[in-house]
Amino acid sequence: AQSVTQLDSQVPVFEEAPVELRCNYSSSVSVYLFWYVQYPNQGLQLLLKYLSGSTLVKGINGFEAEFNKSQTSFHLRKPSVHISDTAEYFCAVSELWAGNNRKLIWGLGTSLAVNP
Amino acid sequence: GAGVSQTPSNKVTEKGKYVELRCDPISGHTALYWYRQSLGQGPEFLIYFQGTGAADDSGLPNDRFFAVRPEGSVSTLKIQRTERGDSAVYLCASSLNAMTSGSWSGELFFGEGSRLTVL
Repeated sequence: AQSVTQLDSQVPVFEEAPVELRCNYSSSVSVYLFWYVQYPNQGLQLLLKYLSGSTLVKGINGFEAEFNKSQTSFHLRKPSVHISDTAEYFCAVSELWAGNNRKLIWGLGTSLAVNP
Repeated sequence: GAGVSQTPSNKVTEKGKYVELRCDPISGHTALYWYRQSLGQGPEFLIYFQGTGAADDSGLPNDRFFAVRPEGSVSTLKIQRTERGDSAVYLCASSLNAMTSGSWSGELFFGEGSRLTVL
């Protein structure tokens, strides 16, 4: 069964510093990969996605992620964070199985705290 | 509507009571999903509707949980004989096409959730 591991539950960082949030998944078949963000008291919002094509994907708010098939990773990066990036970040994987069925499997989330 | 709307935003109930949580998806979205999110956890899949029918209800934890979508738009999640362990944020999401569709955009649109507290 596929699983998603977000290696850091909490990441404190200073404003304007770079950040990387790590995500690894287990799957032996082709996958779709996602990062969602949840700002305080708001719903989950898609940050970026990898479906196919270029392994480097760019999302909203200056975030990007790189799909590494050999390492089964999809780490999220931003070169310079802002206070407003403080939020919970979730990595999710969708695996194609049993014909056309797909489900999203979610990581436990990484809490990013950007300090002044 | 502009986005996915969920009501109530907060619900406090006593153990053993019945609750209903409502989800109004984005207009025209055929697929609707219910998830449950406990503190410190990622969303946990409950049930998925394609149109009016439940295409996959394998995530419902037991027969106290039931969901309907009679007209293919608004959905209601129903929980009978609530237990303290049911306390969580219940999330609803919708998408234009189903994840099983070859034309799925890869994005789910989430509501802000309904926080259920069972005392």
